[in-house]
Amino acid sequence: GAVVSQHPSRVICKSGTSVKIECRSLDFQATTMFWYRQFPKQSLMLMATSNEGSKATYEQGVEKDKFLINHASLTLSTLTVTSAHPEDSSFYICSAASGGGLPYEQYFGPGTRLTVT
Amino acid sequence: AQTVTQSQPEMSVQEAETVTLSCTYDTSESDYYLFWYKQPPSRQMILVIRQEAYKQQNATENRFSVNFQKAAKSFSLKISDSQLGDAAMYFCAYRLDYGGATNKLIFGTGTLLAVQP
Repeated sequence: GAVVSQHPSRVICKSGTSVKIECRSLDFQATTMFWYRQFPKQSLMLMATSNEGSKATYEQGVEKDKFLINHASLTLSTLTVTSAHPEDSSFYICSAASGGGLPYEQYFGPGTRLTVT
Repeated sequence: AQTVTQSQPEMSVQEAETVTLSCTYDTSESDYYLFWYKQPPSRQMILVIRQEAYKQQNATENRFSVNFQKAAKSFSLKISDSQLGDAAMYFCAYRLDYGGATNKLIFGTGTLLAVQP
């Protein structure tokens, strides 16, 4: 159980375009989803926390107008990188947590590699 | 603010031997969870072991065990009978135990474990 998927697994886009990444909880309802960014050989950096039906909470230093997060249902959250630039190239990981009781485990998706050319 | 420190950027162990990965954390809270996650080359985050701060007994999962020293704020991971498949990046993480599913994970910088045949 507790499977989280991400789509696409890899995406290449041109500078200036926007790209959307989907995160789905396949077999549970995720009241909260988290979006992380990871550079090579570095740790995960939390970008934002999203709760179903409400606005995402962004971490300090993360541009909310550039990284648009929507958590429209209990099984789907999306991250849209707007006007992407080469410096946005990175590995993006989502995780989902169920509100169904302790320990509110976070289940991670397999990640999306974004390359901006 | 809570912080997690992993002082060993890289470690190496011989197959079938035992290795210990170190982690220290800083918090003023009394109720929290500690985790070790494994990230193999596939980049999929895998939960290795979880420790509730209120439990004095150290958590164990097959070949993986922790040494949780709450007063010292130390949380090390011991891997026994190391296998080639244990080679990965290991992240120590902290999470508060109240506030529900919205509590975020705070990750350390990671330790890259190599297993020598």
